[in-house]
Amino acid sequence: GAVVSQHPSWVICKSGTSVKIECRSLDFQATTMFWYRQFPKQSLMLMATSNEGSKATYEQGVEKDKFLINHASLTLSTLTVTSAHPEDSSFYICSAGQSGPEGEQFFGPGTRLTVL
Amino acid sequence: AQSVAQPEDQVNVAEGNPLTVKCTYSVSGNPYLFWYVQYPNRGLQFLLKYITGDNLVKGSYGFEAEFNKSQTSFHLKKPSALVSDSALYFCAVRAGGYQKVTFGTGTKLQVIP
Repeated sequence: GAVVSQHPSWVICKSGTSVKIECRSLDFQATTMFWYRQFPKQSLMLMATSNEGSKATYEQGVEKDKFLINHASLTLSTLTVTSAHPEDSSFYICSAGQSGPEGEQFFGPGTRLTVL
Repeated sequence: AQSVAQPEDQVNVAEGNPLTVKCTYSVSGNPYLFWYVQYPNRGLQFLLKYITGDNLVKGSYGFEAEFNKSQTSFHLKKPSALVSDSALYFCAVRAGGYQKVTFGTGTKLQVIP
């Protein structure tokens, strides 16, 4: 299957700083990427849909000014957690979808964010 | 709105025995159904999907799933469980033609040696 990478795989930062997470589709072009958040022992919650060349679509309850998404190219989407706080600590996973109605999503390995 | 239910938080099965992880769904129109597996601190790995065609879908690592439209179910099965199958399993659904995927809450599978 297609490969999606994330960088970094883990990050520890101080409260109040901003953290950028990259999601790349390595061997296919993705017009749409998705960002999920997963709390311990819980399911994935969709945060936003990232569209290449346009603004991201955020799910209800997700602060767009706190979680900045940029989809600058067909192979790269970034999620920036601005002014991070301990409650933002979580596992962030991106996915990239193939085009077409039968296209499946391929998931990145995830980024563990810990805010001190 | 689409939704997925995985009624069991955890399933325990002895190594070598058959396993079943349950999933039911709700979606408008024809469902696109998926199973993913997650190992600790890792992303999701695709196991199998149902789009159309045969109700019995075969996937990776010997897993299969049966689509039952009348019961709106898509249970994951494997004839003989391995200890290495122990992981967290997620069922997911998407309405055809729209890429937003909804995940179930996950079922932890524990295979006992």
